[in-house]
Amino acid sequence: NAGVMQNPRHLVRRRGQEARLRCSPVKGHSHVYWYRQLPEEGLKFMVYLQKENIIDESGMPKERFSAEFPKEGPSILRIQQVVRGDSAAYFCASSQFALPQYFGPGTRLTVL
Amino acid sequence: GIQVEQSPPDLILQEGANSTLRCNFSDSVNNLQWFHQNPWGQLINLFYIPSGTKQNGRLSATTVATERYSLLYISSSQTTDSGVYFCAVESEGGSEKLVFGKGTKLTVNP
Repeated sequence: NAGVMQNPRHLVRRRGQEARLRCSPVKGHSHVYWYRQLPEEGLKFMVYLQKENIIDESGMPKERFSAEFPKEGPSILRIQQVVRGDSAAYFCASSQFALPQYFGPGTRLTVL
Repeated sequence: GIQVEQSPPDLILQEGANSTLRCNFSDSVNNLQWFHQNPWGQLINLFYIPSGTKQNGRLSATTVATERYSLLYISSSQTTDSGVYFCAVESEGGSEKLVFGKGTKLTVNP
C-alpha cells in the first residue's frame, strides 16, 4: 500500500465524544482523500484535500465532520459529538497528480 | 454521477479453480483501480488499469474503456484470495474522487 499510514488503527469512543483520525500520506504525495466504509458496504468518498486546501468535500456530512491537511504534519479527520451511526472504517488515500490512489490500512471507529 | 456495477456479488470456489470478476461503469473514466479487501479489512491495491491489460502473478486485469467494462481474472485460486474485490473508478472530468462498486465477495474453500 505504498506507505500511507493511519493512526490509530482502532478507536473506541462513547457517544458525544470527539474522534480524531490521522493520516500521513506517501512521502511526496500532496493529494489526500478520505473514504468511509459502513459495515457490509463499499467505500464512499468523503473529502479531497491538497496542502492547506479543501478541494472537494461533497461527501462530508454537513455537521460534526471536518478535515484538514496542514502545511506540516498529517491530515486530520475530526468527528465531533460522535453517534453510533459514525461507527465505520475510515480509509485515507494519497496520490501525486491524482493517479493512482494508494490506500492506508484504515481506522476502525467504534462508538459505544 | 457515474455508476459502477460489479458481478457476481458472491462467488464460492474450490482451491485451484479460476474465476472472472466483472466491473461495468456508466461513463468514460480517467482512472480505474481494482482492490482486494482481505478478511482483516485491509485494502490492497491490485491494479491501476484505466485501459489495456496487466498481469501480476496469478492475477490479471483487462479494461475495455470504449465498452465501459473491466475484468479481473484470478487463476489457480488459493484460500488467501478470499475476501471482497472492489472496482473503483474516477469519471473523466470528475473531481478525482473514486466511486466504488459494491464488491464481489470471494470465498475459496480448501
